[in-house]
Amino acid sequence: EDQVTQSPEALRLQEGESSSLNCSYTVSGLRGLFWYRQDPGKGPEFLFTLYSAGEEKEKERLKATLTKKESFLHITAPKPEDSATYLCAVQAWSPSVEGGSEKLVFGKGTKLTVNP
Amino acid sequence: GAGVSQSPSNKVTEKGKDVELRCDPISGHTALYWYRQSLGQGLEFLIYFQGNSAPDKSGLPSDRFSAERTGGSVSTLTIQRTQQEDSAVYLCASSLGLARTQYFGPGTRLLVL
Repeated sequence: EDQVTQSPEALRLQEGESSSLNCSYTVSGLRGLFWYRQDPGKGPEFLFTLYSAGEEKEKERLKATLTKKESFLHITAPKPEDSATYLCAVQAWSPSVEGGSEKLVFGKGTKLTVNP
Repeated sequence: GAGVSQSPSNKVTEKGKDVELRCDPISGHTALYWYRQSLGQGLEFLIYFQGNSAPDKSGLPSDRFSAERTGGSVSTLTIQRTQQEDSAVYLCASSLGLARTQYFGPGTRLLVL
């Protein structure tokens, strides 16, 4: 069974204090790993897709990296507006579904709070 | 352009009643997905559509749950004889096609009393 574990569950940072969020995954075959941001009362907002180990993607203060077992979301010099819950999800190849499974399997998220 | 829209945004119902939740995908998106987000739980996959067909219904928790999609666009998720454990946020997503990025709507918050 495909599983995603995110850590820590919650993280408090001071503005400007860089840190990383972890996403460990177990899948039969990784088709893609996705990072989303979710603000309270809203739907998840897409950030990044990573497909293979060694891949990195950046957007403003965020950088996502991928290994064969985990992904990291690095936040450099965060600002209060970066406060949100960050969700990691995997999409897997499935032997029972031609072309692979379309469903995303999500972790429970990391709630990030950045204090001014 | 317009994103995924869902209605209603909030729904309060009594145990045993039926509810219908609606999703309008991004224009041109052929794939549509339903997920559920419960307190303390991650997002759970329910069902997805490619066009009007549903190749994977494996996440529907019971036969009280059903979904349909018409005209390759709007989808409706129906929950019959609602139970208190059905209380959750129901999220819809759409994508340009299979194996493409899924974009989420704002969700419908369902409370079953």
